[in-house]
Amino acid sequence: AQSVTQLGSHVSVSEGALVLLRCNYSSSVPPYLFWYVQYPNQGLQLLLKYTTGATLVKGINGFEAEFKKSETSFHLTKPSAHMSDAAEYFCAVSDWGAGNMLTFGGGTRLMVKP
Amino acid sequence: GAVVSQHPSWVICKSGTSVKIECRSLDFQATTMFWYRQFPKQSLMLMATSNEGSKATYEQGVEKDKFLINHASLTLSTLTVTSAHPEDSSFYICSANLLAGLYNEQFFGPGTRLTVL
Repeated sequence: AQSVTQLGSHVSVSEGALVLLRCNYSSSVPPYLFWYVQYPNQGLQLLLKYTTGATLVKGINGFEAEFKKSETSFHLTKPSAHMSDAAEYFCAVSDWGAGNMLTFGGGTRLMVKP
Repeated sequence: GAVVSQHPSWVICKSGTSVKIECRSLDFQATTMFWYRQFPKQSLMLMATSNEGSKATYEQGVEKDKFLINHASLTLSTLTVTSAHPEDSSFYICSANLLAGLYNEQFFGPGTRLTVL
């Protein structure tokens, strides 16, 4: 069974500050890890994903995440927050063999203060 | 890029009626589609996995007779909420799996907000 824990349901940063959203996972098989962003009343948009290879993954909008197997973590970062980054962020894990069925974390709402 | 649409984007219905939500993959074929439910300020909960040409696989606790799923073609899956009640009010999101060789990714629709009065 797989599970995802996102530490902090709400994170508030100032515009221009570092964004750090935490994600820890558990998986019995090598995981595929994802970060999605959701704006109000919209579906999910993929920010980035880790499948194999390089553990530091770069995504859209300046976000990146690092897969750390020893820590079972996949934290999302962005050096400088922008007002448009305010949204809900979901970390997810999947098992390739399971038809890409995703297990989502609880989500983190990012608020950006001017 | 791969696009998934949902129709309608929002619907209001009376208690006891049935509502059908469509999920379409517009520019790719998807043998597998997923249906999720999202309550306000909560995460997505997988309801069922829809496979083209076969019965859907429902997650534990999801009533298959209440949430009817049909995946009749490689580009269309439908979710019908039968005899809807206010507690069924929620945001329903579908996704379609694009599988091509080693490429395997899920693309999400924009969601359908259902309000049952």
